[in-house]
Amino acid sequence: DADVTQTPRNRITKTGKRIMLECSQTKGHDRMYWYRQDPGLGLRLIYYSFDVKDINKGEISDGYSVSRQAQAKFSLSLESAIPNQTALYFCATRTGTGHTGELFFGEGSRLTVL
Amino acid sequence: GQNIDQPTEMTATEGAIVQINCTYQTSGFNGLFWYQQHAGEAPTFLSYNVLDGLEEKGRFSSFLSRSKGYSYLLLKELQMKDSASYLCAVMDSNYQLIWGAGTKLIIKP
Repeated sequence: DADVTQTPRNRITKTGKRIMLECSQTKGHDRMYWYRQDPGLGLRLIYYSFDVKDINKGEISDGYSVSRQAQAKFSLSLESAIPNQTALYFCATRTGTGHTGELFFGEGSRLTVL
Repeated sequence: GQNIDQPTEMTATEGAIVQINCTYQTSGFNGLFWYQQHAGEAPTFLSYNVLDGLEEKGRFSSFLSRSKGYSYLLLKELQMKDSASYLCAVMDSNYQLIWGAGTKLIIKP
């Protein structure tokens, strides 16, 4: 089983619908991240969390919200999806013992907003 | 603004050597990462450089020159399974990762 699991892996939805992407991890890491990846662009950070009580906005947080339900769970919500949120979304974790540890990514959630 | 530049696509032959360059302009520097991403899959960590010089790890090596804002990833004895995108990322002064768009490497027999 994957150490970082994302659900759903693929989702097609319509404009205006609420969507939740879920991420769970078994690595025991404190730090969790949500990124989006678009063709021709680098990964862009949406939100990140250093522990259950800590939530921080990333580069492109508008239109998104997150919830850190437990150390192992970090979910991303699109309250009212729009077509330009069509992208590949990755959850990632990193050990909390330093800033420069490697990131461990989930397998991605491909979201299409019609 | 902050910027990471790397070639969009490169082609190389199985068994050969290829060098993928990355130049960066960021507010501060706390290290440079290389990740490999096969099509439709998650990125996986390859290397981390924070000091100038060459870090070797098997067939892969990564070089950093902080004064030039430059890094490269060197892949030797190319195998078909090395066909993937290679992502360069720099950690800035706020410990945020700035990602390049990635270099798609195509390996031909």
